[in-house]
Amino acid sequence: DAGVIQSPRHEVTEMGQEVTLRCKPISGHDYLFWYRQTMMRGLELLIYFNNNVPIDDSGMPEDRFSAKMPNASFSTLKIQPSEPRDSAVYFCASSRAAGNYGYTFGSGTRLTVV
Amino acid sequence: SQKIEQNSEALNIQEGKTATLTCNYTNYSPAYLQWYRQDPGRGPVFLLLIRENEKEKRKERLKVTFDTTLKQSLFHITASQPADSATYLCAPSPDNAGNMLTFGGGTRLMVKP
Repeated sequence: DAGVIQSPRHEVTEMGQEVTLRCKPISGHDYLFWYRQTMMRGLELLIYFNNNVPIDDSGMPEDRFSAKMPNASFSTLKIQPSEPRDSAVYFCASSRAAGNYGYTFGSGTRLTVV
Repeated sequence: SQKIEQNSEALNIQEGKTATLTCNYTNYSPAYLQWYRQDPGRGPVFLLLIRENEKEKRKERLKVTFDTTLKQSLFHITASQPADSATYLCAPSPDNAGNMLTFGGGTRLMVKP
């Protein structure tokens, strides 16, 4: 298994532009999570899905952030419009049934908004 | 509010010694707790899961304890090696039976040869 695949690996964009981050979870995993990591705030959960349905999006910082999971093998996190304070590493993770398994994280997308 | 505390200062130890990292949590009762390793520029990697009814769990050179009275987990690496140098994150489960993990800030471990 190739693991959780995220793209792009790095993204540099100008303030105000739309950014779309992509994630392919591990096949057979029922849960998908989007996290953001910064030095100041550590790893923060943004949103998670169970069987493609968003369950908790209380961590999404603002309406500028949106996430979708159109099928079991693909999810996107979109920021529109982007701002410099959105600069961070965004991780996608997936797991099997709740409570019994650890998460498998992707390699992350390092986003820089200038 | 729920809080997870890990020592933010780096832990420096000599190769061959046992490293002990601490995770304290307050204002909730997790059903289980997970530990992850993160190397620079990479995503966290799952290491161990321990449940509230388990006092101790081992995997090779790793040992985790879970004291629900003290609200604390200890993570031990015996016979440490320079390759063990990384940041270690703890993640207690939510107490509402959900599956969304909240992570501590992590402790950086440096093992010197």
